Amino acid sequence: EDKVVQSPLSLVVHEGDTVTLNCSYEVTNFRSLLWYKQEKKAPTFLFMLTSSGIEKKSGRLSSILDKKELSSILNITATQTGDSAIYLCAVEAEEASYGKLTFGQGTILTVHP
Amino acid sequence: ETGVTQTPRHLVMGMTNKKSLKCEQHLGHNAMYWYKQSAKKPLELMFVYNFKEQTENNSVPSRFSPECPNSSHLFLHLHTLQPEDSALYLCASSHEYRGLDGYTFGSGTRLTVV
Repeated sequence: EDKVVQSPLSLVVHEGDTVTLNCSYEVTNFRSLLWYKQEKKAPTFLFMLTSSGIEKKSGRLSSILDKKELSSILNITATQTGDSAIYLCAVEAEEASYGKLTFGQGTILTVHP
Repeated sequence: ETGVTQTPRHLVMGMTNKKSLKCEQHLGHNAMYWYKQSAKKPLELMFVYNFKEQTENNSVPSRFSPECPNSSHLFLHLHTLQPEDSALYLCASSHEYRGLDGYTFGSGTRLTVV
């Protein structure tokens, strides 16, 4: 059975801090790993990673995949209160018919002013 | 708005009721999904539709019945639910070949079964 584990489950920091969120996975026929930010309801897409060692960046957020270690990290530098959210990691498996996502439990990030 | 619209936003229903959740996307995607998000549990895939054909049913009880009349619309028909079915139900869509944009989620329907 496919499995995704995120750590830590929750994190409280102050504005300006840098945080690193972790995601490890066990999946048959790995296709890609995705990061989402969920503030109220709709998870919003952050990154899709398919190749090991290539960092993806978007502003203060960056992420990298390590296929050898079956893991990924999401870094947020100079955190702001608006970064407070649940960060979801999901792995996409390449099925015979179609891809599907297996999600981790999420990391709840709280950024205090 | 993400481009995936779900209605209603909130729904309270009794265990003997029948109701339907609706999802609509105009992103040109050809695959649509239902996910369930319960408190303190990971998002769980329920159903996958690709070009209107159901390609995945993740061992979901028959009291949940999906319908996909076309690639833009997806329904989840609910009947005789249990209190443990209370959750956030999220719809998502994607291209068959997803490229860089992954899956797009709607804002969900918060369902409470009383």
